[in-house]
Amino acid sequence: GQQLNQSPQSMFIQEGEDVSMNCTSSSIFNTWLWYKQEPGEGPVLLIALYKAGELTSNGRLTAQFGITRKDSFLNISASIPSDVGIYFCAGQGQGAQKLVFGQGTRLTINP
Amino acid sequence: DAGITQSPRHKVTETGTPVTLRCHQTENHRYMYWYRQDPGHGLRLIHYSYGVKDTDKGEVSDGYSVSRSKTEDFLLTLESATSSQTSVYFCAISRTGQAETQYFGPGTRLLVL
Repeated sequence: GQQLNQSPQSMFIQEGEDVSMNCTSSSIFNTWLWYKQEPGEGPVLLIALYKAGELTSNGRLTAQFGITRKDSFLNISASIPSDVGIYFCAGQGQGAQKLVFGQGTRLTINP
Repeated sequence: DAGITQSPRHKVTETGTPVTLRCHQTENHRYMYWYRQDPGHGLRLIHYSYGVKDTDKGEVSDGYSVSRSKTEDFLLTLESATSSQTSVYFCAISRTGQAETQYFGPGTRLLVL
């Protein structure tokens, strides 16, 4: 089946630093999504991307849909303590009902 | 917040026993999904439903069955629980079936001893 490789698996940073993470796929996706999950809760959608090359921001978060349609990137600028959590990428192929998720990036921030 | 509840929120059971998890929505959304989440695997789709009595298999459906007799409830049953089914189970709902419209419930933590 389709697989997404998300990296890095974990990050330990200082408050105020910028963060970058990415997802790559062996298949083409028509939609890329980025979620954040906090302890004891379900994932919450941060950003949705629909077109190759698209760059979309949500506050301090910026995500890009790769030109090849096989990758996506998420950047967080000037991290703050509430950014702590697990970030997941997910992709959906054309006509597919199903989402495929990456393994997640666990972000830890030292104040 | 989307009106999704899952019950129970935590359960401990023994190998070989049947287990049923319930997802209940108040949004009248057509699509409902069951995922499991395990370390190193992200979320993986078990089964989904695209209407009452209409269901289909996901990526990891072996050992699981589902039922949807009314719009608001989607049940996930482990016929005979195994230790490999220890996981956190998430329900999601969607009005349109489009990826960006999926909203997730709070999860059920299941431990099979």
